Amino acid sequence: AQSVAQPEDQVNVAEGNPLTVKCTYSVSGNPYLFWYVQYPNRGLQFLLKYITGDNLVKGSYGFEAEFNKSQTSFHLKKPSALVSDSALYFCAVTSGNTPLVFGKGTRLSVIA
Amino acid sequence: GAGVSQSPSNKVTEKGKDVELRCDPISGHTALYWYRQRLGQGLEFLIYFQGNSAPDKSGLPSDRFSAERTGESVSTLTIQRTQQEDSAVYLCASSPRGGTGANSPLHFGNGTRLTVT
Repeated sequence: AQSVAQPEDQVNVAEGNPLTVKCTYSVSGNPYLFWYVQYPNRGLQFLLKYITGDNLVKGSYGFEAEFNKSQTSFHLKKPSALVSDSALYFCAVTSGNTPLVFGKGTRLSVIA
Repeated sequence: GAGVSQSPSNKVTEKGKDVELRCDPISGHTALYWYRQRLGQGLEFLIYFQGNSAPDKSGLPSDRFSAERTGESVSTLTIQRTQQEDSAVYLCASSPRGGTGANSPLHFGNGTRLTVT
């Protein structure tokens, strides 16, 4: 069975500081990993994905994520946070032939 | 073009009533998904349609839940004899041919917020 763990319900960071939102996963076979973001009063939006290749994946709005197979992690990062990055972030995984399984989400608050 | 459209955006119903939630996917997207998002919880997979294949119903929580899809277009999620624990945001997503979400990102609608009183 597939599963995703986002150990932090809430992450607070000061504007301009680097941010990390953690995600670990469990899947049989090779993982396909995703981050989605949900801004207030808006639908979920795709942010980035890892399918194969370079472990460091770059996505929208300056976000990136690092795939670490040995630690089964796919943490989301950004070098310098913006207030507008405040949102709910979801990590998701699939083995490729099953629907995406999402984590519980991490609420990011960037404080000016 | 238009994104995934869901209606109604909000629905308040009395316990025991039936409700129907509608999803219009992006034109040309063969894969369609329903997820449920309870307050403070992650997205819970409900059902997945891919083209003309039999749908994956493995996530439906009880036989009160059912969904249909007409060809590669509109889908309706029906909840019979609603219970208070059914209160949640019901999200629909679509993706192009070949998606279980593996290679094609999901495009989500804004959801239907269902409140059962």
